[in-house]
Amino acid sequence: AQTVTQSQPEMSVQEAETVTLSCTYDTSESDYYLFWYKQPPSRQMILVIRQEAYKQQNATENRFSVNFQKAAKSFSLKISDSQLGDAAMYFCAYMLGSGNTPLVFGKGTRLSVIA
Amino acid sequence: DAGVIQSPRHEVTEMGQEVTLRCKPISGHNSLFWYRQTMMRGLELLIYFNNNVPIDDSGMPEDRFSAKMPNASFSTLKIQPSEPRDSAVYFCASSWGQVRPQETQYFGPGTRLLVL
Repeated sequence: AQTVTQSQPEMSVQEAETVTLSCTYDTSESDYYLFWYKQPPSRQMILVIRQEAYKQQNATENRFSVNFQKAAKSFSLKISDSQLGDAAMYFCAYMLGSGNTPLVFGKGTRLSVIA
Repeated sequence: DAGVIQSPRHEVTEMGQEVTLRCKPISGHNSLFWYRQTMMRGLELLIYFNNNVPIDDSGMPEDRFSAKMPNASFSTLKIQPSEPRDSAVYFCASSWGQVRPQETQYFGPGTRLLVL
């Protein structure tokens, strides 16, 4: 079974600074996708970024980028120029690439942004 | 697009009562997922459907939980009888999973259930 581990229950960052959230996963599959979801206090699950395992290039979305290390099974999220609105729970998630299958989530990292 | 719609947004009930949670997926999506979020267990899959057919219900806690998807635009998750340990946030998510298997899942706002 696939597992996702987020080793940082809580993180904090100063406004305008950069922070990196860690995620590791365990799978024997070669075709899969990885995601970061953001959950603000409203509890809405918002997709931040996704990465296809077959792509070597790291995904970026504006201030958000990932460091995908397939051999190490590592998938970290970097948030640049942190803003107060970035404060939320962040979940790393894994999905098999074939067919339409469920997401497997990590336990989450709570990010605080300090003004 | 209105996104995934869930109702009710909040539900408070007493132990032993029947609870029905509802979900309308994004139009055109053919896969629907029910997840539950608790402090202890995090986000976990309960059941998912492809083309209205249940594919994996191994996450359903016990016989008190049941889910249906009578058509492509509606699904229900029922708990009967409810227990305090069922208190959680229940999310519905949908995705397009045939032509574009890389499509991601889009979540509804969740239903916050409290069983007293």
